[in-house]
Amino acid sequence: GESVGLHLPTLSVQEGDNSIINCAYSNSASDYFIWYKQESGKGPQFIIDIRSNMDKRQGQRVTVLLNKTVKHLSLQIAATQPGDSAVYFCAEHSGGSQGNLIFGKGTKLSVKP
Amino acid sequence: DAGITQSPRHKVTETGTPVTLRCHQTENHRYMYWYRQDPGHGLRLIHYSYGVKDTDKGEVSDGYSVSRSKTEDFLLTLESATSSQTSVYFCAISERQGDYGYTFGSGTRLTVV
Repeated sequence: GESVGLHLPTLSVQEGDNSIINCAYSNSASDYFIWYKQESGKGPQFIIDIRSNMDKRQGQRVTVLLNKTVKHLSLQIAATQPGDSAVYFCAEHSGGSQGNLIFGKGTKLSVKP
Repeated sequence: DAGITQSPRHKVTETGTPVTLRCHQTENHRYMYWYRQDPGHGLRLIHYSYGVKDTDKGEVSDGYSVSRSKTEDFLLTLESATSSQTSVYFCAISERQGDYGYTFGSGTRLTVV
């Protein structure tokens, strides 16, 4: 709920602008990454994923970029809307066919109308 | 949320009492997970299940137990609730472990007083 957003880095953007949310992941052997969106009072919702053999993947208004050299993941949201206001966090998988996802702490996106 | 429901949605309980949270899925997914979410910590894995009667510990399993007697139900029990277990609890499901996304429930907000 609302408490999820406390203590998180915050990105504030104007409606219609593009947003870029960043994530540094921990394991150079990670082979799969996901971005989740979490609105206040709700569970995390899958946005887009990418495998380590790709550098870029596009969805509807969203693009994920993967830079394995510096272990960096970014989520770009085009033409940000008020409904995009939420906490966004990345998750990585580093265990081959086994292992669970490891979640980052998240970034709070606030969209100003 | 894609065939996954958690109950109750909210609960207030007293220190020292047992509490059981329920996760029910209609997707017939093999893997089920329990996470807790706290400000500053993100999602932390408590326990997970890879089949009926097959469970394993996550990073914050102390004070929690789980059971899975049917594919569709995964129960999380706090044997003797403490104030440090006040949190939002999320259940997640996945078709396979590893490089595959999770679907989350809507969460249970538990307050231990």
